[in-house]
Amino acid sequence: DSGVTQTPKHLITATGQRVTLRCSPRSGDLSVYWYQQSLDQGLQFLIQYYNGEERAKGNILERFSAQQFPDLHSELNLSSLELGDSALYFCASSAKTSGRVINEQFFGPGTRLTVL
Amino acid sequence: GESVGLHLPTLSVQEGDNSIINCAYSNSASDYFIWYKQESGKGPQFIIDIRSNMDKRQGQRVTVLLNKTVKHLSLQIAATQPGDSAVYFCAENNAGNMLTFGGGTRLMVKP
Repeated sequence: DSGVTQTPKHLITATGQRVTLRCSPRSGDLSVYWYQQSLDQGLQFLIQYYNGEERAKGNILERFSAQQFPDLHSELNLSSLELGDSALYFCASSAKTSGRVINEQFFGPGTRLTVL
Repeated sequence: GESVGLHLPTLSVQEGDNSIINCAYSNSASDYFIWYKQESGKGPQFIIDIRSNMDKRQGQRVTVLLNKTVKHLSLQIAATQPGDSAVYFCAENNAGNMLTFGGGTRLMVKP
């Protein structure tokens, strides 16, 4: 158990809908990362938050957004869902980031999103 | 559990043998590399990391080798066990704390 929790574990919805995925980082971790894992594209970095502020952006669609709250949990919002958005969505957290110090990322169990 | 990438390259080894999983990375400016293990239905799990100022790092039953000249990373698992069966990903860090993952290799251990 990595200490990172994600809910829900599974989510089934229809095209055009909007969903929210939730992540609670490990106790004390300030950084949260979101990744998408699909069969044809592997693990893709979406976005990083550090202590409530957006820190880095990867291959995140404009239909997707995220935020990190004062209690450090994070939510990933996916809107106008398409069939191709079906994937595993992982959250990871790491300890305080200081300059170029790089910290190990701990991954949650993921949310399986199925868009029908 | 969910499958991770139906078309991954697969390495099949006999239990007790050593395994070597290879990875080519893309950015010569990357300064930190990690190997992750992902079992079916679970998130990636950290195995071992190495910084670019090192060529080799050893852990418990695992060794990572880094060849910056050819941008190549390898993971060696000694005395492979059935519990080592999983998909293995290498990841490189080249911008802040953003990781770029390789495509993954499926390791299958035959008893």
